Amino acid sequence: GQQLNQSPQSMFIQEGEDVSMNCTSSSIFNTWLWYKQEPGEGPVLLIALYKAGELTSNGRLTAQFGITRKDSFLNISASIPSDVGIYFCAGLDEGNKLVFGAGTILRVKS
Amino acid sequence: ETGVTQSPTHLIKTRGQQVTLRCSSQSGHNTVSWYQQALGQGPQFIFQYYREEENGRGNFPPRFSGLQFPNYSSELNVNALELDDSALYLCASSLGPVLYEQYFGPGTRLTVT
Repeated sequence: GQQLNQSPQSMFIQEGEDVSMNCTSSSIFNTWLWYKQEPGEGPVLLIALYKAGELTSNGRLTAQFGITRKDSFLNISASIPSDVGIYFCAGLDEGNKLVFGAGTILRVKS
Repeated sequence: ETGVTQSPTHLIKTRGQQVTLRCSSQSGHNTVSWYQQALGQGPQFIFQYYREEENGRGNFPPRFSGLQFPNYSSELNVNALELDDSALYLCASSLGPVLYEQYFGPGTRLTVT
């Protein structure tokens, strides 16, 4: 089946540092999404990307939809303690199903 | 506006038993999707219900079944529970079957012993 490879698996960074994580796939997706999940909660949508090459920002978060439609990255600038959580990428396949990556665990040292 | 709610929060079942999980969609949403999230993994799509009909299914066996009611709330039923069914079960609601605009509930943690 379809798989999304998300990296890195985890990150432990200093408060104030920038963060970069990415997601690759062997399949093409027409929509890429980035979610954040905190303990005891469901995933929350951060950014949605609908067009190859698209670069979208949401506050300190910036994400890009790769031109090949097989990858996406998420950057977080000037990290703060509340950025802690698990970040998931997800692709919307042609059957209108969401396929999720395994997540990147982000920890922030203050 | 009420968000997506799920019940129960967590439960423990024995292998071979059956379980029913419940989800109330966000106000005005007519579509509910169910996901299974194993520890350390991303959510995996089980199925979606749109206007009381199943509208897409992931790679899960028939012992995973569901219902959607006229008020758009939904149930997930799992028969003949197996140890590997232990996971967080998430439901998400949306205004229609287009999945990117969906809102997740907090999940039900199922442990099968």
